[in-house]
Amino acid sequence: AQTVTQSQPEMSVQEAETVTLSCTYDTSENNYYLFWYKQPPSRQMILVIRQEAYKQQNATENRFSVNFQKAAKSFSLKISDSQLGDTAMYFCAFMTYTNAGKSTFGDGTTLTVKP
Amino acid sequence: DVKVTQSSRYLVKRTGEKVFLECVQDMDHENMFWYRQDPGLGLRLIYFSYDVKMKEKGDIPEGYSVSREKKERFSLILESASTNQTSMYLCASSRTGEGVFGQGTRLTVV
Repeated sequence: AQTVTQSQPEMSVQEAETVTLSCTYDTSENNYYLFWYKQPPSRQMILVIRQEAYKQQNATENRFSVNFQKAAKSFSLKISDSQLGDTAMYFCAFMTYTNAGKSTFGDGTTLTVKP
Repeated sequence: DVKVTQSSRYLVKRTGEKVFLECVQDMDHENMFWYRQDPGLGLRLIYFSYDVKMKEKGDIPEGYSVSREKKERFSLILESASTNQTSMYLCASSRTGEGVFGQGTRLTVV
């Protein structure tokens, strides 16, 4: 069975600064996806960024980037130039190719961006 | 704009009631999922479906059932609601990759 661990229940950052959220996972699979989702207060969960395990290059989406270390089974999210709208709960998730759409989620990290 | 729509945002039900949570997606996705979200526990999979009339148990199916009579609709049923089923319920759909989520239903059982 796969497990996903987010070791930081809560984090805060000053507006315009950079913050990194940690995620580790455990699997014996070789082909899988990793995701970061964002859930703003009282709003819908949305996908922030996706990484396919076979790709060595780290995924980037505007101010969001990941540091994917396959051997270490680590998948951290870096948010640059943090904005007040980044305040949310962030979930790391894992999905194998053979279980399309069926993801295993971490417990989440609540991020607060302070003005 | 593609969507997953859950029928209620907030719901209050009494212990012992039969509760239906409805989820509809307009993306023609094959896969649909029901998760439960509780503080400190992340998202836990209750049931999922890869096709019409097909269902599979997730990690915490006890006390729940599901129905998928049409491709676009996936219903979660609490046969006899109990206070420990007070939670946020999230529906998601997908094709082959990440899930697209609904807005969630916060269910309170009193």
